[in-house]
Amino acid sequence: GAVVSQHPSWVICKSGTSVKIECRSLDFQATTMFWYRQFPKQSLMLMATSNEGSKATYEQGVEKDKFLINHASLTLSTLTVTSAHPEDSSFYICSVGQGASGNQPQHFGDGTRLSIL
Amino acid sequence: QQQVKQSPQSLIVQKGGISIINCAYENTAFDYFPWYQQFPGKGPALLIAIRPDVSEKKEGRFTISFNKSAKQFSLHIMDSQPGDSATYFCAARRGSARQLTFGSGTQLTVLP
Repeated sequence: GAVVSQHPSWVICKSGTSVKIECRSLDFQATTMFWYRQFPKQSLMLMATSNEGSKATYEQGVEKDKFLINHASLTLSTLTVTSAHPEDSSFYICSVGQGASGNQPQHFGDGTRLSIL
Repeated sequence: QQQVKQSPQSLIVQKGGISIINCAYENTAFDYFPWYQQFPGKGPALLIAIRPDVSEKKEGRFTISFNKSAKQFSLHIMDSQPGDSATYFCAARRGSARQLTFGSGTQLTVLP
């Protein structure tokens, strides 16, 4: 069964709206979760590392004020795209690394397709 | 800097044939190399993974070949089936870091 649950799977909204995406680890506690963005026919690009109980670590070029990450519990991380614009339309995917040492497989959610009109 | 280079970009194979996807990496600190399969509208699913202390790993129809000296690894799909049609990504991870560095992806089409 699914290890990671992501919600919603698809969202369409108007420009200027803020959108929240949830990522839940179903089978184990996750101190670290990852958020990726994927444009059509392209690879996954890491946006940020979500750390439970502390600030997220953002990759270079990713606006932290634009993409707000909250990791309030060991099973839930949220990504909020604030004041979304058409260029933010993309496929957002979260992942969870199994195990505390990091030497375990990483499992991905089924993604959220965000379309900004 | 693209740390994991993947080829080909697309691949068309007849049913029953062998699909081969290649990846090369630059960072010798990488020590975990997974392959993911992604269907349209879905997240990537882990297929098979290898560590550099072995040269080959096989799981069912999927085999990873690893060449540490050449810094290359490849995925072989034996007896390819139309249901294998998907995008395949190689990836690499270094040491205790948990984030993955992905290749650019290969769109595989298996013709019936």
